[in-house]
Amino acid sequence: AQKITQTQPGMFVQEKEAVTLDCTYDTSDQSYGLFWYKQPSSGEMIFLIYQGSYDEQNATEGRYSLNFQKARKSANLVISASQLGDSAMYFCAMREFNGGGNNRKLIWGLGTSLAVNP
Amino acid sequence: GAGVSQSPSNKVTEKGKDVELRCDPISGHTALYWYRQRLGQGLEFLIYFQGNSAPDKSGLPSDRFSAERTGESVSTLTIQRTQQEDSAVYLCASSVTGSYGYTFGSGTRLTVV
Repeated sequence: AQKITQTQPGMFVQEKEAVTLDCTYDTSDQSYGLFWYKQPSSGEMIFLIYQGSYDEQNATEGRYSLNFQKARKSANLVISASQLGDSAMYFCAMREFNGGGNNRKLIWGLGTSLAVNP
Repeated sequence: GAGVSQSPSNKVTEKGKDVELRCDPISGHTALYWYRQRLGQGLEFLIYFQGNSAPDKSGLPSDRFSAERTGESVSTLTIQRTQQEDSAVYLCASSVTGSYGYTFGSGTRLTVV
């Protein structure tokens, strides 16, 4: 069954340092996509980064990068040069493509709460 | 609009009453999703609309939950005879068909007392 596991309920990091948030996934499909979202206290889900299962390069978006290890089924998020505004919940999610390109539901992890200390 | 708009932002209702939550997606976004997020939990899929196709209702937890969407416009999620376990944040997201990018609204925080 599809499943996303985030083993870190909470993380602390000093401002300006890098932090890695863990995500492992379980799927029997060969074609899938992995997402990271940020949810600040305001509640809105903010898309950060996407990695396709066939992408050969790790995805990067500004200070965010995804450490994709397909054989280990892990998709860890790395935030470089942490800022106070990075304090939020971070969710890893997966979408299986089921042989088609249609949008389908996302399977979500339970999230990691990140606190950036000044 | 510029983003996904949800209303109300907060709703407190008495157990047993019906509630209706509204989602106004980004113009041109053909796909629309409803998710539920209980306190301290990840998101649970509820329902998915894609254009004029039959919706995927596989995530609706009971027959008290229903949702409608006309074409590619506004969607409403209705919860009948609310129960305390329905208390959660209900999030709506929309996207363009074929795109992997989903845009979420700010959610409706529902509290059943």
